[in-house]
Amino acid sequence: RKEVEQDPGPFNVPEGATVAFNCTYSNSASQSFFWYRQDCRKEPKLLMSVYSSGNEDGRFTAQLNRASQYISLLIRDSKLSDSATYLCVVGYGQNFVFGPGTRLSVLP
Amino acid sequence: DTAVSQTPKYLVTQMGNDKSIKCEQNLGHDTMYWYKQDSKKFLKIMFSYNNKELIINETVPNRFSPKSPDKAHLNLHINSLELGDSAVYFCASSQDGTAYEQYFGPGTRLTVT
Repeated sequence: RKEVEQDPGPFNVPEGATVAFNCTYSNSASQSFFWYRQDCRKEPKLLMSVYSSGNEDGRFTAQLNRASQYISLLIRDSKLSDSATYLCVVGYGQNFVFGPGTRLSVLP
Repeated sequence: DTAVSQTPKYLVTQMGNDKSIKCEQNLGHDTMYWYKQDSKKFLKIMFSYNNKELIINETVPNRFSPKSPDKAHLNLHINSLELGDSAVYFCASSQDGTAYEQYFGPGTRLTVT
């Protein structure tokens, strides 16, 4: 089993749609959780950190379920500019582990 | 003012050559990393340095040697380049280990011919 797994994608959605991404991790000692986005031929950029209580940033909501070792990202009212690959990242010890990413295309 | 910078941005070289990639961060972070992103877009950590000390050395060939002259710089030297080394190499930094988010450099696209 891979350390961090994500929905395989790609997700093709119309503008204005709500889309949800799922991520699971295998290491129960994981301590920190993040969502990054990566545009084509660019570096990953932090979208949001994920906290146990869940957190929201505008149209983006992240949830963490430690018991199920599951992280989610919800994007509401999708914009064309949301098109990117979304990476789930888990930290434990001194190590970060990236998921394979889920590609999102928002269509006009 | 760029937070994490890498040079060069593109590197095309022949098999067997030796090359270096440089990374600098001006964020005052204690921890720096090297990642490799292969053709399948999978990002994998190679090395992690905390305050100039090697913390993580994942299973990479010993042809790859990182060097941190100070905590703001982490360079990557690659000896005897092979075709399979072709990838995008990203440098990143974080405030203090994995409790904090990372900031990435723009990447170095290495092509070995």
